[in-house]
Amino acid sequence: EVQLVESGGGLVQPGGSLRLSCAASGFTFSGSWMHWVRQAPGKGLVWVSRINSDGKTTSYADSVKGRFTISRDNAKDTLYLQMNSLRAEDTAVYYCARNTGTVFDYWGQGTLVTVSS
Amino acid sequence: QSALTQPRSVSGSPGQSVTISCTGTSSDVGGYNYVSWYQQHPGKAPKFMIYDVNKRPSGVPDRFSGSKSGNTASLTISGLQAEDEADYYCCSYAGSYTPNWVFGGGTKLTVL
Repeated sequence: EVQLVESGGGLVQPGGSLRLSCAASGFTFSGSWMHWVRQAPGKGLVWVSRINSDGKTTSYADSVKGRFTISRDNAKDTLYLQMNSLRAEDTAVYYCARNTGTVFDYWGQGTLVTVSS
Repeated sequence: QSALTQPRSVSGSPGQSVTISCTGTSSDVGGYNYVSWYQQHPGKAPKFMIYDVNKRPSGVPDRFSGSKSGNTASLTISGLQAEDEADYYCCSYAGSYTPNWVFGGGTKLTVL
């Protein structure tokens, strides 16, 4: 059974940093492209970032470029999102999702990040 | 790149059909046959219902169907059931330049 389990969310002050993790199991993680998608409270889904299977290519939404870094450790079957210079507008539930072909076919349960003083 | 445009809400009675539209541009919906639809119940993770415009993964009832015309994609749910009440999001590939993927703003489906 495919499972994605996010962790690392919490309350952080504006300007602070946080690292999210997404532990994968039930599939060949090293062969999968992975993404982060966020959802602000009461709002819609927004694509944040993606990383290819070997971790060599990444892409970011303009709103997080230069502040967030996506990475992965295929030996640990884990995806990461390092978030720096956090702003109030980054407050959201962050989901990791597997990308198979042209669809996000598996999602984690999400982890809540709250940026507030 | 702006979010894809969806109606905020739609509603229908059990047994009826509803259609949710998703309007983008020639750079996303109109440019690729890579539109997918996600169902999200409150407090839950999204679940994909349709991919590549009109393909249905195993386990998704055939009451759910997708289509596309120009820059607008649509999700039709026929034979509405109470458990279909949820938020629905469309998503389209938008090319190799960021953002690679764009989502719609979401549509709240209410089963009356």
